[in-house]
Amino acid sequence: DAMVIQNPRYQVTQFGKPVTLSCSQTLNHNVMYWYQQKSSQAPKLLFHYYDKDFNNEADTPDNFQSRRPNTSFCFLDIRSPGLGDAAMYLCATSRDLSASGVSYEQYFGPGTRLTVT
Amino acid sequence: DQQVKQNSPSLSVQEGRISILNCDYTNSMFDYFLWYKKYPAEGPTFLISISSIKDKNEDGRFTVFLNKSAKHLSLHIVPSQPGDSAVYFCAASGPSSGSARQLTFGSGTQLTVLP
Repeated sequence: DAMVIQNPRYQVTQFGKPVTLSCSQTLNHNVMYWYQQKSSQAPKLLFHYYDKDFNNEADTPDNFQSRRPNTSFCFLDIRSPGLGDAAMYLCATSRDLSASGVSYEQYFGPGTRLTVT
Repeated sequence: DQQVKQNSPSLSVQEGRISILNCDYTNSMFDYFLWYKKYPAEGPTFLISISSIKDKNEDGRFTVFLNKSAKHLSLHIVPSQPGDSAVYFCAASGPSSGSARQLTFGSGTQLTVLP
């Protein structure tokens, strides 16, 4: 089945210790997104890649970086995690059809729960 | 500034009855709306969507209604089943000056269907 995979599902890191979360997809979608979701809050978009073009949200802290080495993979790097970065991190993909204006669904992975100690 | 609001954090409904989940938005540029369902320890799953050129879209037990003048949409689930118990997120999309379209999410409503 085509899907979005996130590894690991649970990640514990120490305050200030760099951590990388990974996402892969078999949907061959051209857009990949990273969201941060804290308890009882809406998922918050951090950034997205349209093909190889990186698009950062204005309020995404510099502490968060991303890499997309190919269509299938995307990584979220947190350079110096703080206690406030503990959250669920969701990866999503979409096949951007804005030219045809058909649909804009995003397909989500199961998420990585990050704990900062 | 929350552009998409789900004012009810939780809703309980008896099995077999109708569940109505509500969502309000403020950005008049939004032209596409989606509902996602999320079970614990899983990512959100797309449920149903509606374009702003329509006022109703139906898919089996799920119907989404859009009232553009009130900037309000709702999701109706009839009949409700215990397996429908999950967090439901409303999301909205509009034209983007950037590259890909983006979704703005509400904070979710926890639906509990009681047997």
